[in-house]
Amino acid sequence: AQSVAQPEDQVNVAEGNPLTVKCTYSVSGNPYLFWYVQYPNRGLQFLLKYITGDNLVKGSYGFEAEFNKSQTSFHLKKPSALVSDSALYFCAVRDTESGGYQKVTFGTGTKLQVIP
Amino acid sequence: KAGVTQTPRYLIKTRGQQVTLSCSPISGHRSVSWYQQTPGQGLQFLFEYFSETQRNKGNFPGRFSGRQFSNSRSEMNVSTLELGDSALYLCASSLIAGEQETQYFGPGTRLLVL
Repeated sequence: AQSVAQPEDQVNVAEGNPLTVKCTYSVSGNPYLFWYVQYPNRGLQFLLKYITGDNLVKGSYGFEAEFNKSQTSFHLKKPSALVSDSALYFCAVRDTESGGYQKVTFGTGTKLQVIP
Repeated sequence: KAGVTQTPRYLIKTRGQQVTLSCSPISGHRSVSWYQQTPGQGLQFLFEYFSETQRNKGNFPGRFSGRQFSNSRSEMNVSTLELGDSALYLCASSLIAGEQETQYFGPGTRLLVL
């Protein structure tokens, strides 16, 4: 069964330090992988998408994500965290090889707290 | 350029009623997707429409339906409302250019079923 795991409910990081938000997935075929961010009292925003090709995907606001096929992971990273990065982050996977409709599954979300 | 708009923003209904939510995508965008967000179930994918055709569908009962019009505006309908349908319903539009696709989300419609 298709699944997405975000093993950390919350990640705390000091401002200026690098941050990583973890995501692992399980799909039957080749995945499309996504990261979204939801700021307090603001809507959901798309950060980045992995389709194929380069394992390092660059997205909005200085974020990037590293696709690792052998570890079935798609961790979100940023070299230097900002207080304004504090938000709820969601990982999602879309199975591109399922017959008919392509199943889309979201992780449960990771709250990122950047400490000044 | 105006963003994605969703109407209404807030809605209160009672069990058994039906509801229609509307989403107007960014001008020029032909793809519209719908999502449900609840504290219990988290984020779940409902549907995706492209040029008036349903291109993808999540695992929701038949009470949930949608459509897209020729101007790319989309509606979703929920019939025979249940308490568990209380949620934030999000709509996203995207300009499909090959496989490079950036989604833009609306503010959502918050539905409360009493």
